[in-house]
Amino acid sequence: GAGVSQSPRYKVTKRGQDVALRCDPISGHVSLYWYRQALGQGPEFLTYFNYEAQQDKSGLPNDRFSAERPEGSISTLTIQRTEQRDSAMYRCASSRRTAASPLHFGNGTRLTVT
Amino acid sequence: QQQVKQSPQSLIVQKGGISIINCAYENTAFDYFPWYQQFPGKGPALLIAIRPDVSEKKEGRFTISFNKSAKQFSLHIMDSQPGDSATYFCAASTAGGTSYGKLTFGQGTILTVHP
Repeated sequence: GAGVSQSPRYKVTKRGQDVALRCDPISGHVSLYWYRQALGQGPEFLTYFNYEAQQDKSGLPNDRFSAERPEGSISTLTIQRTEQRDSAMYRCASSRRTAASPLHFGNGTRLTVT
Repeated sequence: QQQVKQSPQSLIVQKGGISIINCAYENTAFDYFPWYQQFPGKGPALLIAIRPDVSEKKEGRFTISFNKSAKQFSLHIMDSQPGDSATYFCAASTAGGTSYGKLTFGQGTILTVHP
């Protein structure tokens, strides 16, 4: 079946602009996670949802970052007033809501802030 | 407290050899330890995972060894193949809670298996 879909695949934006990154999870997956992965590093947790409820946003770097999942399916990660340090691969993952169900990661959105 | 330290950073192995990657953690609340495999241009994919109630788990050529007292766990790849060449990440989380997918990842190991 279809995996986790993220769009756009690449995004280049100028410093100060807002960007919205989209994630379409695997059908039926209740839990949705956002991670950020710097080049040569492991993914770093940002936030996660069960259904439409944001359960934990402790990994969001600052208040320029926000995420929503209004209907419990597609999620959007928004970065306002982008800065060069925001450049990274942003990955979405989804899973069933059972203990130790594996995360299924998407191929990510490569964000470059110039 | 939340770190997971992974070594080595890179590893070169000959075909048929054994690849060993090590991880150490600090947070004793962690109770779920997965390993992820990542190919270039793709997202990480779960390879194998272990809970701390067992000291070893084997799936095909892949084995996790877990040492709870030392707070260390390792991935062994037997009979390594060129197709195993990828980046491997260890991770940890508290599966007993509701946020088991809130993984803390290691820094990654780039494995190259020469034919």
